[in-house]
Amino acid sequence: EVQLVESGGGLVQPGGSLRLSCEASGFSFRRDWMSWIRQAPGKGLERVANIKSDGSEKYYGGSVQGRFTISRDNRKNSLSLQMNSLKVDDTAIYFCVRDVTYASGSYAFENWGQGAVVTVSS
Amino acid sequence: QSVLTQPPSVSGAPGQIVTISCTGTSSNLGSIYAVHWYQQLPGAPPKLLIHSNTIRPSGVPDRFSGSKSGTLASLAITGLQAEDEADYFCQSYDSGLRNVVFGGGTKLTV
Repeated sequence: EVQLVESGGGLVQPGGSLRLSCEASGFSFRRDWMSWIRQAPGKGLERVANIKSDGSEKYYGGSVQGRFTISRDNRKNSLSLQMNSLKVDDTAIYFCVRDVTYASGSYAFENWGQGAVVTVSS
Repeated sequence: QSVLTQPPSVSGAPGQIVTISCTGTSSNLGSIYAVHWYQQLPGAPPKLLIHSNTIRPSGVPDRFSGSKSGTLASLAITGLQAEDEADYFCQSYDSGLRNVVFGGGTKLTV
């Protein structure tokens, strides 16, 4: 069974930093792209970052570019998101997500963690 | 403002059929990119419901079906059940934004 367990959420002041972690199990972590997707209170979904299976490629959403850094450790089956210069608008549930590519070439988000709550407020 | 447009809410009685639309543009749904659907029950993370326009992952009831034509995708739910009450999101990829895009979500009330 695929399991993704996030940790590291909490309350932080604007301008502060926070690091989220995700422990993965039940699948071959080192083979899959991974993403962080967030959901602001009562809002929709936004992918903030994703990383290639070997960590050689990383992509960021425009709203977090230059502030967030995604990384992974395939030896420990773990994914991280370093969030700096946090803004009130970054308040959201952050989900650790496994990307899956299908034969058609499209990819979707097949497995989700329960999420880590990040609140940015003074 | 979401790139893919969904109705904020739909409703139906138990046993009925409902459809949820997802409207995009030529740079996402109208292009080569597939649409995927997620179901989010209250207090839970999203769950992949339909991928690659029409394919149900293992364990998803065949009451759920997807379709796509041009810039319009739809999710149909037949034989509505109380447990289907949830938020539903569509997702694709946008070549102009070079990123995945989501619909704003549709709240289904049964």
